[in-house]
Amino acid sequence: QVQLQESGPGLVKPSQTLSLTCTVSGGPINSGSYYWSWIRQPAGKGLEWIGRIYTSGSTDYNPSLKSRVTISLDTFKNQFSLRMTSVTAADTAVYYCARSSVVGGTVYWFDPWGQGTLVTVSS
Amino acid sequence: DIVMTQSPDSLAVSLGERATINCKSSQSVLYSSNSKNYLAWYQQKPGQPPKLLIYWASTRESGVPDRFSGSGSGTDFTLTISSLQAADVAVYYCHQYYMTPFSFGPGTTVDVQ
Repeated sequence: QVQLQESGPGLVKPSQTLSLTCTVSGGPINSGSYYWSWIRQPAGKGLEWIGRIYTSGSTDYNPSLKSRVTISLDTFKNQFSLRMTSVTAADTAVYYCARSSVVGGTVYWFDPWGQGTLVTVSS
Repeated sequence: DIVMTQSPDSLAVSLGERATINCKSSQSVLYSSNSKNYLAWYQQKPGQPPKLLIYWASTRESGVPDRFSGSGSGTDFTLTISSLQAADVAVYYCHQYYMTPFSFGPGTTVDVQ
């Protein structure tokens, strides 16, 4: 059973770069057809999809964040990562990683999810 | 972009009574070639990640109690909890996976009256 776990600094200063890693256990990250996504949730608010990376390495980003976000894959460490530049207080949120299956070209829902990690942007 | 809306924002229901949550998408999430609605429902409890309840608008995830059911097609969807249990107190989100950028509804808080 695949499990995901986010890790990274809990505090980032404004204007700096947020870097998070999602470690995948229970199977190779580049085995099968999957998209690996980042999703965030400000405290008390809803969910926002940030972007995704396919097992081949191709990426898609939410246009609202595209200029500041990079998602990458490290198959040797079985991890994928999020890098977000020029952060502000508005980027304070719980960040989740999640997987979507791809079957016959159809992309499925998000499942499973990591437990989430809180990132606070503050000086 | 597809905008998801939900109603009500919150509701309080007596234990054993029915809870109904509505979700509307700004454009259809029904894919004509396979007649599937690309709509999922999640349950989120405090301090936990969202938990998948329903996919393809009406297919219950394995292990989800049968008091949870989903219905609807095109742009209008409903999640029904037929007999509310204390364990069902949570925030519920609908989610479209029809196209990027993927989007979620703002959430509906369900509580016990």
